[in-house]
Amino acid sequence: NAGVTQTPKFQVLKTGQSMTLQCAQDMNHEYMSWYRQDPGMGLRLIHYSVGAGITDQGEVPNGYNVSRSTTEDFPLRLLSAAPSQTSVYFCASSYGQGNEQFFGPGTRLTVL
Amino acid sequence: GQSLEQPSEVTAVEGAIVQINCTYQTSGFYGLSWYQQHDGGAPTFLSYNALDGLEETGRFSSFLSRSDSYGYLLLQELQMKDSASYFCAVTDSWGKFQFGAGTQVVVTP
Repeated sequence: NAGVTQTPKFQVLKTGQSMTLQCAQDMNHEYMSWYRQDPGMGLRLIHYSVGAGITDQGEVPNGYNVSRSTTEDFPLRLLSAAPSQTSVYFCASSYGQGNEQFFGPGTRLTVL
Repeated sequence: GQSLEQPSEVTAVEGAIVQINCTYQTSGFYGLSWYQQHDGGAPTFLSYNALDGLEETGRFSSFLSRSDSYGYLLLQELQMKDSASYFCAVTDSWGKFQFGAGTQVVVTP
């Protein structure tokens, strides 16, 4: 099993550009989440999904869109990048809401 | 809404015991979990409590009191490799996670 994979590992964008961060898992987990982590801080939930076709907002959803068309994939779209979105982005998946979350390696995004 | 509080930093010597407290306020509480994160790495799961009481996993134990909205992570026989950030996280009944700001544990020789 590859676990949770994220691409790209690093990305530099200019203000106003859009892009999609990819996340995939091969563990047949229903629950998937996107977090951002700013230096010296905890993880803040952006969006999450409890199954294919079902998504909901977390604490900091503005400027981000998600969709979940398959169990395996949960891409995160930045609509119009802003310097405030410079962060490390982690995707995670779990079998259920109380179970262990498995995290991907993260995407380090810089917006100039 | 949800909020979690945990200390920002704890320093201890090798071989010592460290307790990291976490208090939370949340609606629809489902469970409390703990994660470890080394610098530059991804968080990794340590422990989970849905019911009151103590869960033991090797050198790490976690405790939950639902009536007090309180839990803690106990790290025993501290080793240098335990130097990391530790996060508590609550899950609600809808599957949403919220993480605390993290506790930096510094282990000294």
